[in-house]
Amino acid sequence: QKEVEQDPGPLSVPEGAIVSLNCTYSNSAFQYFMWYRQYSRKGPELLMYTYSSGNKEDGRFTAQVDKSSKYISLFIRDSQPSDSATYLCANALSNFGNEKLTFGTGTRLTIIP
Amino acid sequence: GAVVSQHPSRVICKSGTSVKIECRSLDFQATTMFWYRQFPKKSLMLMATSNEGSKATYEQGVEKDKFLINHASLTLSTLTVTSAHPEDSSFYICSARIIVETFYGYTFGSGTRLTVV
Repeated sequence: QKEVEQDPGPLSVPEGAIVSLNCTYSNSAFQYFMWYRQYSRKGPELLMYTYSSGNKEDGRFTAQVDKSSKYISLFIRDSQPSDSATYLCANALSNFGNEKLTFGTGTRLTIIP
Repeated sequence: GAVVSQHPSRVICKSGTSVKIECRSLDFQATTMFWYRQFPKKSLMLMATSNEGSKATYEQGVEKDKFLINHASLTLSTLTVTSAHPEDSSFYICSARIIVETFYGYTFGSGTRLTVV
């Protein structure tokens, strides 16, 4: 079993729709959770991070963590064509030292104008 | 701020030759950088952790002699793929640790697409 599971998609939604992206993880020791966005042929860029269960909102993006069920989500409201990218969840055991990130496979998202 | 510049963005080389990929932190000092490899539709796989002034730490299964990492300064880390073969064709990405508010995050380079023919 992979430590972080993520549906690779592809996922296509019309512009303006709410997008829900999800990951599950198996290691209950993970404490920090991140979402990265990766455009084609580019490196990932950090979108959001959180280290507790609950919701965190930043503009059109909401990150949700449920540690009891080991489930993390990213919601995108009012989706735009510019949101078309691959979204990767990443987990870490701690926020200290040179902690390794464990990535999901990424979900390829396309927003249709 | 906190930009990591990676070059080249794309390289094609002949089998048996060596290729060097550079990763520079432009506006901050990176004592530690990370090198990842990414296959199409696959996750990022950590290859090694590069520490300034010391030997890199390689992940299990990564050949040290094939993937040479040098971190000679606080702003430059290099990955050299030696005696490249077609199976080494992949997308290589470097990363450095940064502080985002009170959180230690990671910033990534733009990646290098290596094609070995």
